Amino acid sequence: DAKTTQPNSMESNEEEPVHLPCNHSTISGTDYIHWYRQLPSQGPEYVIHGLTSNVNNRMASLAIAEDRKSSTLILHRATLRDAAVYYCILTTDSWGKLQFGAGTQVVVTP
Amino acid sequence: EPEVTQTPSHQVTQMGQEVILRCVPISNHLYFYWYRQILGQKVEFLVSFYNNEISEKSEIFDDQFSVERPDGSNFTLKIRSTKLEDSAMYFCASSRVAKAIQYFGAGTRLSVL
Repeated sequence: DAKTTQPNSMESNEEEPVHLPCNHSTISGTDYIHWYRQLPSQGPEYVIHGLTSNVNNRMASLAIAEDRKSSTLILHRATLRDAAVYYCILTTDSWGKLQFGAGTQVVVTP
Repeated sequence: EPEVTQTPSHQVTQMGQEVILRCVPISNHLYFYWYRQILGQKVEFLVSFYNNEISEKSEIFDDQFSVERPDGSNFTLKIRSTKLEDSAMYFCASSRVAKAIQYFGAGTRLSVL
């Protein structure tokens, strides 16, 4: 199974941008890059996903490297509510199974 | 906005007892999943379910576990004889198609005493 590598934690000040890197050097051509997050005591929540092109939605932006071996989730203005564990996941499985790693713990300070 | 609902939010049981965790997926979704998260650890896949049968399961999902879609709305996870190590948060998720966005419930915290 394709794997991802993320930093254990990142800290940001409120209203500052946050750039969360993810390495996925073994990605294959049909793998989508998904980001989920998990707020304290809640279930995982979808954030964004992409295949090759950069993507934007109301929550975040996803920048995908040209060779697709890495990507960056961008939270444009961090709020206290964005404090969570962020997971970068490749959807390789035909039945849609998500394989969560340890993710990146984002700490937002006021 | 449609959401996945899970009941109960917290289940306490004695070791060796059977438990059933319930989930109501989003109504037009066709793929259903169970995951679990032991306290302080990562989220682990248990099983996926499509067209009224298991499509994939992990090594964790042994003979003590079963899933069922008893009617058009509910999706259940049964643990036949609970062990202490089954204590965890159990999350149900659903998606419209495979490899699409999965929507997770808030989870059921299972405590086995």
